[in-house]
Amino acid sequence: QVQLQESGPGLVKPSETLSLICTVSGYFISSGYFWGWIRQPPGKGLEWIGTIYHSGNTYYNPSLKSRLTMSVDTSKNQFSLRLSSVTAADTAVYYCAKFGRSVTDGTFDIWGQGTVVGVSS
Amino acid sequence: QSALTQPPSASATPGQRVTISCSGSSSNIGSNFVYWYQQLPGSAPKLLIYTNDQRPSGVPDRFSGSKSGTSASVTISGLRSEDEADYYCVAWDDSVSAFVFGTGTKVAVL
Repeated sequence: QVQLQESGPGLVKPSETLSLICTVSGYFISSGYFWGWIRQPPGKGLEWIGTIYHSGNTYYNPSLKSRLTMSVDTSKNQFSLRLSSVTAADTAVYYCAKFGRSVTDGTFDIWGQGTVVGVSS
Repeated sequence: QSALTQPPSASATPGQRVTISCSGSSSNIGSNFVYWYQQLPGSAPKLLIYTNDQRPSGVPDRFSGSKSGTSASVTISGLRSEDEADYYCVAWDDSVSAFVFGTGTKVAVL
């Protein structure tokens, strides 16, 4: 079955760059579907971060766009997230997920377990 | 972008029915599909309803979704203790080209 696993540092210093990788197993990213990231600050709701297709096309949350870079490595069946100039407001559980068949398809049907990222000096 | 509006909480006794509303605008719910997610404590969210009213395989038929105009709702009929969770709606917003989530509703089984 399709599984996703997030990996990356659990602590990032303010003003530095947060980098996470999502490794997909059980399905080739290049076979289709969109993929993406969603985060959840402690005790708060869900926030869409961005979406990527295996071609490399990306779609970002406007509120994060200036600091966000997403990329895909089909040879490793992974996609990644880089968020620069982080502040305490970026502290959250970061989830990667298998998205739907179009940019506007909100069928996030497979999720990773989530990884906690804290921003602190 | 503004989040979709949900009531902070809802509750009922086992066996009763609970309906959670999700209010948006013409640029999101009014023109795109609505999806619902259930998040059990300490777990990743799980797809509950897709394209307004469709249940993925494995989701009990006591969960149902609907949409009318710029609002949507999910109903849990025959509430069970394992339904205690947070519930979120989400839709694509054409005005900001982004997914917007609802504020979330915590369901308690009394």
